[in-house]
Amino acid sequence: EDQVTQSPEALRLQEGESSSLNCSYTVSGLRGLFWYRQDPGKGPEFLFTLYSAGEEKEKERLKATLTKKESFLHITAPKPEDSATYLCAVKGYSSASKIIFGSGTRLSIRP
Amino acid sequence: GAVVSQHPSWVICKSGTSVKIECRSLDFQATTMFWYRQFPKQSLMLMATSNEGSKATYEQGVEKDKFLINHASLTLSTLTVTSAHPEDSSFYICSASWGQLDGNQPQHFGDGTRLSIL
Repeated sequence: EDQVTQSPEALRLQEGESSSLNCSYTVSGLRGLFWYRQDPGKGPEFLFTLYSAGEEKEKERLKATLTKKESFLHITAPKPEDSATYLCAVKGYSSASKIIFGSGTRLSIRP
Repeated sequence: GAVVSQHPSWVICKSGTSVKIECRSLDFQATTMFWYRQFPKQSLMLMATSNEGSKATYEQGVEKDKFLINHASLTLSTLTVTSAHPEDSSFYICSASWGQLDGNQPQHFGDGTRLSIL
């Protein structure tokens, strides 16, 4: 059974303090690993798709990396507007069209 | 690109009422649409997957007769909560994807509908 575990559950950082969020996954053949950002009362906003180990993608202060067992979302010099819940999800060969979400990391950036 | 619009964003209604939520892909054709439910501080729970012109596939434990899904075109899917009761109160979110059903395209999400049943 495909599984996704995110850690930490919550993370509070000072503005400018870089850190990483972890997404560990178990999947029977990875079709894609997805990162989303979700603000309170809103739907998830798509950030990145990673397809194979060693792949990296960047967008502003965010950088996502992928290994065969986990993905990291690195946040460099975060700003208060980066505060949100970050969701990781995977799609495996056995799951047809479904993607499996982790429970998310609630990130809070203090000014 | 990849904009998904969901309407309404907020509904308050009396117990026993049926409520329809619309999900539209504005700038792409969605071969597959998904409906999720989210409880406070929890992740998304998939309710059903729908493909244009065919019956929706419901997840285990989701009542088909309670949550009616119609995917009439490549840009529109609707979720109707029939005879809604307070326990149906939740945040409902739709998403849409293009390409093959078993492909690796991401899902793009609407902004959700907050449903409150009095």
